[in-house]
Amino acid sequence: DGGITQSPKYLFRKEGQNVTLSCEQNLNHDAMYWYRQDPGQGLRLIYYSQIVNDFQKGDIAEGYSVSREKKESFPLTVTSAQKNPTAFYLCASSIDPGLSGANVLTFGAGSRLTVL
Amino acid sequence: EDKVVQSPLSLVVHEGDTVTLNCSYEVTNFRSLLWYKQEKKAPTFLFMLTSSGIEKKSGRLSSILDKKELSSILNITATQTGDSAIYLCAVGPFSGGYNKLIFGAGTRLAVHP
Repeated sequence: DGGITQSPKYLFRKEGQNVTLSCEQNLNHDAMYWYRQDPGQGLRLIYYSQIVNDFQKGDIAEGYSVSREKKESFPLTVTSAQKNPTAFYLCASSIDPGLSGANVLTFGAGSRLTVL
Repeated sequence: EDKVVQSPLSLVVHEGDTVTLNCSYEVTNFRSLLWYKQEKKAPTFLFMLTSSGIEKKSGRLSSILDKKELSSILNITATQTGDSAIYLCAVGPFSGGYNKLIFGAGTRLAVHP
């Protein structure tokens, strides 16, 4: 079955450490996204990528980095520069943003990061 | 500033009740409004409403878009415990290629037996 796989599901990090969250999709979607979810707040966009080797900052990109070397993969690195990284991170994908129905995102199961 | 506001933030009902969740928005250019259900982890897609499709229904769930009032409602009739979840509303402004969705904070629904 097609879908999005995120790993790990739970991750603990010490302050000052970088961590990388994995996101893989087999939906043949062109666009991929990373969102952060905090209690009582809506999902906030960190980074997005419409095609391979291209990505753009979202609303809260500071302290995060991404790469898009393959269509299927869009890993997110949470760097030590992120001041409050404890959160639930969701990866999503969609068809070509220029097509009808492109606003429908398919989400992964998420990764919960806790900074100790 | 573009924003999406959902109400209520939380709701507790008993099985069999009917609930109405609200979503209002202010965006520069409107393209579509989407509803998602988030039970534990991954939000799952429920409906997408656009100017050409302002009403959707699936089983006990239905949704209406009011473009004049810049709002939408999600109705759930004959609620079941399996309806317990966070319901997310998102609005997608037309961007010419950048598919940015703006999410509301969600409504947490708890359905008790």
